[in-house]
Amino acid sequence: GNSVTQMEGPVTLSEEAFLTINCTYTATGYPSLFWYVQYPGEGLQLLLKATKADDKGSNKGFEATYRKETTSFHLEKGSVQVSDSAVYFCALSDLQGGSEKLVFGKGTKLTVNP
Amino acid sequence: DGGITQSPKYLFRKEGQNVTLSCEQNLNHDAMYWYRQDPGQGLRLIYYSQIVNDFQKGDIAEGYSVSREKKESFPLTVTSAQKNPTAFYLCASSVYRGLEQYFGPGTRLTVT
Repeated sequence: GNSVTQMEGPVTLSEEAFLTINCTYTATGYPSLFWYVQYPGEGLQLLLKATKADDKGSNKGFEATYRKETTSFHLEKGSVQVSDSAVYFCALSDLQGGSEKLVFGKGTKLTVNP
Repeated sequence: DGGITQSPKYLFRKEGQNVTLSCEQNLNHDAMYWYRQDPGQGLRLIYYSQIVNDFQKGDIAEGYSVSREKKESFPLTVTSAQKNPTAFYLCASSVYRGLEQYFGPGTRLTVT
């Protein structure tokens, strides 16, 4: 079945540090991939997405590249800010493979200190 | 502005009472979803609906019920049969099943 594996958290960084949150997936078809962000006490917000291999999704300084050969979709940001402190979820959609649902990773909590 | 609204933001109930959580969307999306999130945990799918008058159980449907009488609305009832109802409940919608989902702000339910 489809699955998403994210790096274990929590992750603690200083402001302006480089961020990488690893995400790998297993899917039967050709999935679309997503990163969501959840700020404390709020719902999830779609951060970025990629729908086919080698696509790069980007938003608010965050980037992730869909790597079919390594089945990965790692989230990166060159210089994090305190306001980036949140929980980040990797997810996949495999409609072509017959799945009607999104599959989420367990989330990675990021704390950025000033 | 288009979006998803959930009400109320905080809800308190006594054990043994049923409670209904509201979810409304004005995005004209066909599919709607309910998730449960426990502290430090990921999301678990409770129910989902692809069209009006149709819905399917997710991974943890026991103790919950839903209805989809209108495209815009997908209320969730937490029944007294749900053993551990205290949690953060998130509603989401998507244009079509399997596509990216857009989330509401959530309802935090506390049952004592």
